[in-house]
Amino acid sequence: GQNIDQPTEMTATEGAIVQINCTYQTSGFNGLFWYQQHAGEAPTFLSYNVLDGLEEKGRFSSFLSRSKGYSYLLLKELQMKDSASYLCAVLDSNYQLIWGAGTKLIIKP
Amino acid sequence: DTAVSQTPKYLVTQMGNDKSIKCEQNLGHDTMYWYKQDSKKFLKIMFSYNNKELIINETVPNRFSPKSPDKAHLNLHINSLELGDSAVYFCASSQNSGGAETQYFGPGTRLLVL
Repeated sequence: GQNIDQPTEMTATEGAIVQINCTYQTSGFNGLFWYQQHAGEAPTFLSYNVLDGLEEKGRFSSFLSRSKGYSYLLLKELQMKDSASYLCAVLDSNYQLIWGAGTKLIIKP
Repeated sequence: DTAVSQTPKYLVTQMGNDKSIKCEQNLGHDTMYWYKQDSKKFLKIMFSYNNKELIINETVPNRFSPKSPDKAHLNLHINSLELGDSAVYFCASSQNSGGAETQYFGPGTRLLVL
């Protein structure tokens, strides 16, 4: 079967750095997305990786290792507004998005 | 200016009723989706339409019937609502279905069946 694993919840301190991991086992791979979802709101796009390596976009970076079936989202200089759920999603061989359950990130002052 | 809009935002209804949720996108996208997000926060794809044609139809009870009058609209009709249908329903759209397209989500419809 297809499977996406992420930690359920993480806590970090304002100003710090946090890394949210995602491992996947899917039938084929056509890229991996990270979405941010604030409580009560819709998911919004953060990043897309299809090649191995690190993609940096401001305070957020996303890393992919296809051979390990692994990705992480790195958030630097954490702000209170970064408190949200972070969803990992993989595009399988049929170009269908397989979603993880999300990691709830709690930022403390 | 809203890219993907859904109505209503909240829907509270009794078991056994029939209800519809509407979705519209003004992004000029070809593909639209319906997702269900349950209390455990899993986003589950229900349906996907590309240019008004059904391309994804997951294992969803046939009480759920999508309708796409044109490529900018994808409505969801639910017959004989059950308690387990309570969830947040998200509509989304993407440029097309054949590649690694970013999906843009509507604000969600919070359905509560009593």
